Amino acid sequence: RKEVEQDPGPFNVPEGATVAFNCTYSNSASQSFFWYRQDCRKEPKLLMSVYSSGNEDGRFTAQLNRASQYISLLIRDSKLSDSATYLCVVKKAGTALIFGKGTTLSVSS
Amino acid sequence: DTGVSQNPRHKITKRGQNVTFRCDPISEHNRLYWYRQTLGQGPEFLTYFQNEAQLEKSRLLSDRFSAERPKGSFSTLEIQRTEQGDSAMYLCASSLSSGGTDTQYFGPGTRLTVL
Repeated sequence: RKEVEQDPGPFNVPEGATVAFNCTYSNSASQSFFWYRQDCRKEPKLLMSVYSSGNEDGRFTAQLNRASQYISLLIRDSKLSDSATYLCVVKKAGTALIFGKGTTLSVSS
Repeated sequence: DTGVSQNPRHKITKRGQNVTFRCDPISEHNRLYWYRQTLGQGPEFLTYFQNEAQLEKSRLLSDRFSAERPKGSFSTLEIQRTEQGDSAMYLCASSLSSGGTDTQYFGPGTRLTVL
C-alpha cells in the first residue's frame, strides 16, 4: 500500500463548480500535511498547509482527520486557472515530503 | 530571482554516460532535498542535506547515484552509467528548519532523457 493515496483523476468540471479531493495516508507518525499544486511540466508549489482544525484560504478549504488519517481539499467557484494537478503531501518530523500521485483537475468554460 | 535554481534544465544523454546536475537553494536555507518525478507520479524523495551533512538517503538512491553539498550551499547530484529507467524530472527543494514547519520550495527541475 502506498503511503499517500489520492482520488484517481481526472476531474473535469465547469467554471463555478465546487470540487473536492480526498487523500488518505498510512503512517500515523506523519506530523505535517500539505496540498501542493503542480502545473504541467512545472515544479510543485505549496498551495496550503493543512491543520487539524481545518483551514481556509479564499476559495480553498483544507481539512485533516488524524483519527481516520484522511485529508481533503475543497475548491469553491472553480476558475479556469485552477486547472492543474493537486498533490497531497505528508511529512514526518525532520524528513522529506511524501507525495501522492496527484489528482488532475480540468476546469472548462 | 531569489528562488531555487537548477542547471541544466534539460539533459539528453546516451545510456552508460555520467551526468551531473546542480541545485542552488534559496540563500540562508539550511536544508536541501533531491526528488525524482516520473510521468504520472508524484515526486519521490531521494536524499537530503542539513548544511553539508547528508542525513537521509532513500532506497531509490542506488550506488550509481551520489549527491554532495560540500560547503552547505549548492548541491550536485551525479548519476553514473545512466540507464533508460533514470529518465525523469529531478527536482531540488530547499527549506529553513526553524523549529516550526519548514516549508520546502522547489526549483524548476532538470529533465533527464536517457536514450
